[in-house]
Amino acid sequence: AQTVTQSQPEMSVQEAETVTLSCTYDTSESDYYLFWYKQPPSRQMILVIRQEAYKQQNATENRFSVNFQKAAKSFSLKISDSQLGDAAMYFCAYRRQRTSGSRLTFGEGTQLTVNP
Amino acid sequence: EPEVTQTPSHQVTQMGQEVILRCVPISNHLYFYWYRQILGQKVEFLVSFYNNEISEKSEIFDDQFSVERPDGSNFTLKIRSTKLEDSAMYFCASKSQPSNQPQHFGDGTRLSIL
Repeated sequence: AQTVTQSQPEMSVQEAETVTLSCTYDTSESDYYLFWYKQPPSRQMILVIRQEAYKQQNATENRFSVNFQKAAKSFSLKISDSQLGDAAMYFCAYRRQRTSGSRLTFGEGTQLTVNP
Repeated sequence: EPEVTQTPSHQVTQMGQEVILRCVPISNHLYFYWYRQILGQKVEFLVSFYNNEISEKSEIFDDQFSVERPDGSNFTLKIRSTKLEDSAMYFCASKSQPSNQPQHFGDGTRLSIL
């Protein structure tokens, strides 16, 4: 079974600084997708960024980028120029590619605080 | 941008009662999901639904739970004889056909069992 681990329950960053959230996963599959979701206090689940495992290039979305290390099964999220609105719980998630409708497996989450 | 909508936003129910959580997925999506998040814990998969039948379910999704797509637009989760431990946030999600597309989540229904 696939597992996703986020070893940092809490992180904090100063506004305008950069922070990196860690995620590791375990799978025997070679093709899969990885995601970062953001959950603000309102508890919505908002997609931040996604990575396809067959792509070597790291995904970027504006201030958000990932460092995908397939051999190490590591998928960290870097947030540049942090803003107060980035404060939220961040979940790393895995989905295997084999079936289009496969479930998401989530990590435990990292609570990010942004200090003004 | 199209959204997944869930109703109600908050449901309070007495233990032992039945509850139905409702979701309207994005209109051209084909895959539908329910997830659960107990307060302070991670999001857990319950069930996925495709082509009018359950495609996958977790060990959490026992006989107490059922899902239905009654009219081609709504997707419901029914919990029979609710228990205190069913108190959680329930998220509906939907996804379009291409494999590389992400799941889109609704805002969730907070279920409180008294």
